[in-house]
Amino acid sequence: AQTVTQSQPEMSVQEAETVTLSCTYDTSESNYYLFWYKQPPSRQMILVIRQEAYKQQNATENRFSVNFQKAAKSFSLKISDSQLGDTAMYFCAFMIPNFGNEKLTFGTGTRLTIIP
Amino acid sequence: NAGVTQTPKFRVLKTGQSMTLLCAQDMNHEYMYWYRQDPGMGLRLIHYSVGEGTTAKGEVPDGYNVSRLKKQNFLLGLESAAPSQTSVYFCASSSSGLPVRTDTQYFGPGTRLTVL
Repeated sequence: AQTVTQSQPEMSVQEAETVTLSCTYDTSESNYYLFWYKQPPSRQMILVIRQEAYKQQNATENRFSVNFQKAAKSFSLKISDSQLGDTAMYFCAFMIPNFGNEKLTFGTGTRLTIIP
Repeated sequence: NAGVTQTPKFRVLKTGQSMTLLCAQDMNHEYMYWYRQDPGMGLRLIHYSVGEGTTAKGEVPDGYNVSRLKKQNFLLGLESAAPSQTSVYFCASSSSGLPVRTDTQYFGPGTRLTVL
């Protein structure tokens, strides 16, 4: 079974600073997808960024980037120039592509607070 | 596009009562999912569907039933609610988009259910 571990239950950072959220996972598969989802106080789950395991290049979406270390099974999220609107719970998630059986496995989340 | 919608947003039940949560998506997605979110835990998959007329069990299916009579709708039923089912419920959908399958899941806004 696949597991996803987020070891930082809570983090806080000053506005405009950079913050890195950690995620590690465990799997014996070689082909899979990794995701970061954001859940603001509105409760909506919003996709932040995704990474295909077969791609060596780290994914980037504007101020959000990942550091994907496949051998170490690590998938951290870096938020640059943090903004107040980044305050949210952040979930790391993992999926194995298996036609008709794709399921997301989530970590327990990191609560990020951006301080004005 | 409304994306993924959920009805109702809030509900309070007494132990033993029944109810149905409705999820609807207008993105023509093949796959639909029901998750529950509890404090200190990541989202856990209850049931999912890979197409109209199909359903399958997820990680925590006991006490729930589902139906996918129409492609755009995925219903989650509680036949006899228990306090342990107090949770926030999320619906999600994703495309099977062959030949390039889209694995990103899009989430609804959630339903907060309290069972007294």
